[in-house]
Amino acid sequence: EAQVTQNPRYLITVTGKKLTVTCSQNMNHEYMSWYRQDPGLGLRQIYYSMNVEVTDKGDVPEGYKVSRKEKRNFPLILESPSPNQTSLYFCASSLSGTGTQYFGPGTRLLVL
Amino acid sequence: AQTVTQSQPEMSVQEAETVTLSCTYDTSESNYYLFWYKQPPSRQMILVIRQEAYKQQNATENRFSVNFQKAAKSFSLKISDSQLGDTAMYFCAFMWGAQKLVFGQGTRLTINP
Repeated sequence: EAQVTQNPRYLITVTGKKLTVTCSQNMNHEYMSWYRQDPGLGLRQIYYSMNVEVTDKGDVPEGYKVSRKEKRNFPLILESPSPNQTSLYFCASSLSGTGTQYFGPGTRLLVL
Repeated sequence: AQTVTQSQPEMSVQEAETVTLSCTYDTSESNYYLFWYKQPPSRQMILVIRQEAYKQQNATENRFSVNFQKAAKSFSLKISDSQLGDTAMYFCAFMWGAQKLVFGQGTRLTINP
């Protein structure tokens, strides 16, 4: 089944404790993105990647890191999480630059 | 900067009625794409419909259709014969360049039996 997977689905952590949210797609898509969803703000793009080793900032990159060492994987790293990073996070992938994005199931993060 | 505005935070209609969700956007780009995504209580983001800006014909997908007014920068979604399963948050989104995507704030739609 073609899909985007994210792990973990739920995570509670404390301020300053480094964490990684994994994202993997099995559709051989070139493009991958990370978003955060907050009430009243919709989804906002954090980072996106056009191919292996090629990434760029979205609208809200502060406090996040990404890497794209393999085509199928695009992990999101929070090196020192803070409470304002409590949010619902989505990974998405797309076959091309103008292609429709397909979303993972989301990761709900709570930073205490 | 590209912006997307959904002016209706919440809407509620009876089952089988037709409902229209509004979306306006602001851009100086000439090549772009517009989307409507549905987010049911499961939180999964589901593509409803996609419109290429260079196409004048409005996109349709079964009961879902759009009214794309490029000059007015308007992109509304019409849901015909609404069903209980249409209850969800709906997001309008604008894409330009290579995967630069901006979403509206969302409209929470409730279909009542």
